[in-house]
Amino acid sequence: AQKITQTQPGMFVQEKEAVTLDCTYDTSDPSYGLFWYKQPSSGEMIFLIYQGSYDQQNATEGRYSLNFQKARKSANLVISASQLGDSAMYFCAMRELANTGNQFYFGTGTSLTVIP
Amino acid sequence: DTGVSQDPRHKITKRGQNVTFRCDPISEHNRLYWYRQTLGQGPEFLTYFQNEAQLEKSRLLSDRFSAERPKGSFSTLEIQRTEQGDSAMYLCASSFRETGNQRGFSGNTIYFGEGSWLTVV
Repeated sequence: AQKITQTQPGMFVQEKEAVTLDCTYDTSDPSYGLFWYKQPSSGEMIFLIYQGSYDQQNATEGRYSLNFQKARKSANLVISASQLGDSAMYFCAMRELANTGNQFYFGTGTSLTVIP
Repeated sequence: DTGVSQDPRHKITKRGQNVTFRCDPISEHNRLYWYRQTLGQGPEFLTYFQNEAQLEKSRLLSDRFSAERPKGSFSTLEIQRTEQGDSAMYLCASSFRETGNQRGFSGNTIYFGEGSWLTVV
């Protein structure tokens, strides 16, 4: 089974509007972390936001917020007030405490295009 | 610039040739990771180091691939006898090692470089 599933290959949003990028995950480890990365065309993976499995509140970082629904195993990224510079690939990732050494499991990504 | 740096950024090579990529992690990070990313996919784990020790290798890392981190600082990833299927972006990342047991995570993320694009023709 896929550890991370991103079902939206591509999304469009009007500039200044909000957009939600979906992510569901699969783990039996009670301790895990969820991450979102942005990858512009240059290729660099840029860390955006983190949510821990025991965190009581949804994470927020500036215009980014993570809608964490633990029972549904979803960790959607919400970008508010979209900007043209937000156009990029967005990857959801997970890391399990039992697997602390090594792997981040990544989804296949969502391509976001911000329309002027 | 104190981020993760990778060199070269782009490499075109003929099938059968050897290629080597270098990664310089963030200086205070003791963990270093290599990932591979093909078009339309997310990064896939290849291997990671803690200091100079290579602690895990993915099944994706065939015997044509070798990674080293001789002094626990920079790392190299060598691909021998390249094949067209090796064409991908090779991403390096680094992080701190988490210490102790904790309920949940500290949010210790990994920080990526800009990647090295490999095209095998």
